[in-house]
Amino acid sequence: AQTVTQSQPEMSVQEAETVTLSCTYDTSESDYYLFWYKQPPSRQMILVIRQEAYKQQNATENRFSVNFQKAAKSFSLKISDSQLGDAAMYFCACNTDKLIFGTGTRLQVFP
Amino acid sequence: NAGVTQTPKFRVLKTGQSMTLLCAQDMNHEYMYWYRQDPGMGLRLIHYSVGEGTTAKGEVPDGYNVSRLKKQNFLLGLESAAPSQTSVYFCASSYFGGLGNEQFFGPGTRLTVL
Repeated sequence: AQTVTQSQPEMSVQEAETVTLSCTYDTSESDYYLFWYKQPPSRQMILVIRQEAYKQQNATENRFSVNFQKAAKSFSLKISDSQLGDAAMYFCACNTDKLIFGTGTRLQVFP
Repeated sequence: NAGVTQTPKFRVLKTGQSMTLLCAQDMNHEYMYWYRQDPGMGLRLIHYSVGEGTTAKGEVPDGYNVSRLKKQNFLLGLESAAPSQTSVYFCASSYFGGLGNEQFFGPGTRLTVL
């Protein structure tokens, strides 16, 4: 069975600074996708970024990028130039057949 | 487009009561999902559907039933609510079930069972 672990329950960052959220996963499958979803106070989950396991190049979406280390089964999210609107819960997820979520990291952004 | 909507937004039930949560999507998605979110845990899949008229069990299906009579709607039913079903319920949908497909989520329903 696949598992997703987020070991940082809470993180904080100063506005305009960079922060990295950690995620590790475990699966025996060779074909899978990894995701980061954002859950703002409104509760509605929004896709931030996704990465295909077969692609070596790290995915990037504007200020959001990932560091995908396949051998280490690590998938961290880097947020550059943090903004107040980035404050939210961030969930890492892995899809080999069903989408399995980690427990989330609450990110606070200070002015 | 409204995307994925859920009705109701909040509900309080007594133990043993029944209720149905409604999820609707206007994106013509084939796949729909029901998740629950509990404190300190990620979302867990309850049931899902790969198309109109189909349903399948997810990770935590016990105590729930679902129906997908119309492509745009996915209903989640609790026949006899228990306090352990107190949770926030999220519906999601996706074009297909491919591994890389984005799931679009509704705003959630907060259910409290007393």
